[in-house]
Amino acid sequence: DIQMTQSPSSVSASVGDRVTITCRASQGISSWLAWYQQKPGKAPKLLIYAASSLQSGVPSRFSGSGSGTEFTLTISSLQPEDFATYYCQQAITFGQGTKVEIK
Amino acid sequence: EVQLVESGGGLVQPGGSLRLSCAASGFIFSDYSMTWVRQAPGKGLQWVSSISSSADTIYYAASVKGRFTISRDNTKKSLYLQMSSLRVEDTALYFCARVFQWRGSDYFDYWGQGTLVAVSS
Repeated sequence: DIQMTQSPSSVSASVGDRVTITCRASQGISSWLAWYQQKPGKAPKLLIYAASSLQSGVPSRFSGSGSGTEFTLTISSLQPEDFATYYCQQAITFGQGTKVEIK
Repeated sequence: EVQLVESGGGLVQPGGSLRLSCAASGFIFSDYSMTWVRQAPGKGLQWVSSISSSADTIYYAASVKGRFTISRDNTKKSLYLQMSSLRVEDTALYFCARVFQWRGSDYFDYWGQGTLVAVSS
């Protein structure tokens, strides 16, 4: 089975900061990767699919890149509503999550 | 507007059974594969099971295979998860989600709010 490893597990940042989260696959997965945002008590929300395609309605400050085994989610200028946990996903496997906290 | 509404969760003893439902609206249900994903308290997301649009292809996570059964009724626009031989470690919030298939991979583009299953004596 493919394993997905996210880093860091948590990050403290301020409004306006640029935040980058990394997801590594245990073997090559082409561009078959998604990113989700989850706020406490809420369902996950699809942000990015196919590594870099922005889901409809998602702000353009979110971007994804990468292929093969290494992928990144970047928030170009962190907004108050972006404090949440972010997960990468490949097929049936999710990363362990990265919590973005207020500094 | 796409909506997915889960129901059927509750408190059940170890070894017991429960049937979850997910009512879909706002899209052509019979055109989409569907999936169940769960989240144990304070933990990450875990895929549970998926079913194709016509129910001819079904997959399960190893941890639930043989105990859980996924099904769907396209006439009722509903997805189900029959859970039996429940264990304490099955305690979680169970989400149903629509599968978005794009260039060879599956993504989950719409999610319900979840239904809580608690397994405890």
